[in-house]
Amino acid sequence: DTGVSQDPRHKITKRGQNVTFRCDPISEHNRLYWYRQTLGQGPEFLTYFQNEAQLEKSRLLSDRFSAERPKGSFSTLEIQRTEQGDSAMYLCATPKPPDYTFGSGTRLTVV
Amino acid sequence: DQQVKQNSPSLSVQEGRISILNCDYTNSMFDYFLWYKKYPAEGPTFLISISSIKDKNEDGRFTVFLNKSAKHLSLHIVPSQPGDSAVYFCAASTYSGGSNYKLTFGKGTLLTVNP
Repeated sequence: DTGVSQDPRHKITKRGQNVTFRCDPISEHNRLYWYRQTLGQGPEFLTYFQNEAQLEKSRLLSDRFSAERPKGSFSTLEIQRTEQGDSAMYLCATPKPPDYTFGSGTRLTVV
Repeated sequence: DQQVKQNSPSLSVQEGRISILNCDYTNSMFDYFLWYKKYPAEGPTFLISISSIKDKNEDGRFTVFLNKSAKHLSLHIVPSQPGDSAVYFCAASTYSGGSNYKLTFGKGTLLTVNP
């Protein structure tokens, strides 16, 4: 039990389609982070929320990406007009500093 | 600019021996360091961490050493077991001072422990 549930675990989509991922922290966390891991790389920071507010976005997060955390609990990450370069594992994390726990991730494959 | 570097893409050791995984960083503002283990198709699993005010932290078979002057840390696994075979990531953060606490990761080292 990682304390963070991510859905779906795997997603295969055709190029140009939109996809949405969901992250559900099991307990209340003020902060929620999204990371992306591509093959051969470590996880890279995408964005984070303090309650409902999105406080920082990485330059990796192009205009096709949008993230929300409407009630300060679960979060969604949407990718519009997917490209093959979006294929990666998308990870959600809910730190209670200094602990930093990740969910199991959503693996996206764009074909 | 890679602020956290794991220069060994892979490491192979015999069961029962010591595994030493290395990590270097360039940002002197980093003050908290973490090691994660990752299996394919799963998220990273936290192993052990160390604050910059310490030079060693131990948890069971895992020990992390920090050399601030060299900006270097290492993870020791003793004794190594076949179940330890995975990719290990080093991560760093500026934890103190009300920062946003995002992690910067290295590219990982694939550890293989042979029976």
